[in-house]
Amino acid sequence: DAGITQSPRHKVTETGTPVTLRCHQTENHRYMYWYRQDPGHGLRLIHYSYGVKDTDKGEVSDGYSVSRSKTEDFLLTLESATSSQTSVYFCATTDGSSYEQYFGPGTRLTVT
Amino acid sequence: DQQVKQNSPSLSVQEGRISILNCDYTNSMFDYFLWYKKYPAEGPTFLISISSIKDKNEDGRFTVFLNKSAKHLSLHIVPSQPGDSAVYFCAASARTGNQFYFGTGTSLTVIP
Repeated sequence: DAGITQSPRHKVTETGTPVTLRCHQTENHRYMYWYRQDPGHGLRLIHYSYGVKDTDKGEVSDGYSVSRSKTEDFLLTLESATSSQTSVYFCATTDGSSYEQYFGPGTRLTVT
Repeated sequence: DQQVKQNSPSLSVQEGRISILNCDYTNSMFDYFLWYKKYPAEGPTFLISISSIKDKNEDGRFTVFLNKSAKHLSLHIVPSQPGDSAVYFCAASARTGNQFYFGTGTSLTVIP
């Protein structure tokens, strides 16, 4: 295991509230990713980071922002949560020497 | 548009028989392909990968085949075991980028 933790593991929030999900890794991997998993869509990339303070958008970035101030932490923020953002969110990392990604256990987010 | 597609949402196979999971892609720039396995309430875990310079890669009971002209890859599991029951995702990446594109997943059930 690559030592990836996500917090919280479960969260219920109301529409319009901001939400921040945290991904923490202990492997000193350069690349970090946020995905969401939805039925019929598989895993879709939200944002990724290729170094401290270096981030880029993925396929479904609207309504999300990220920050990476330390190598080990990658934060995903839903600026104003909507019901369409109800999903399971996965963080992943890779060191860049191979294509293999290591995934965290996921965060189940429900927006009511 | 989905650049990586898994057209079979589910597959059931008898224990000991072969499981064949299929994946198609549309982007000719993809040059590396991976399969991940996911159990419920866990993050995906890496299973096997293949570079576009190869047409086959084998690891124990798992073999991945790549047909570049057809933009198609498949995962063969022989013999299938009940513990193989999981959702399998294929993923693709282009060497020039840092993004990974995932299929929608195939849920494999191996019947004892």
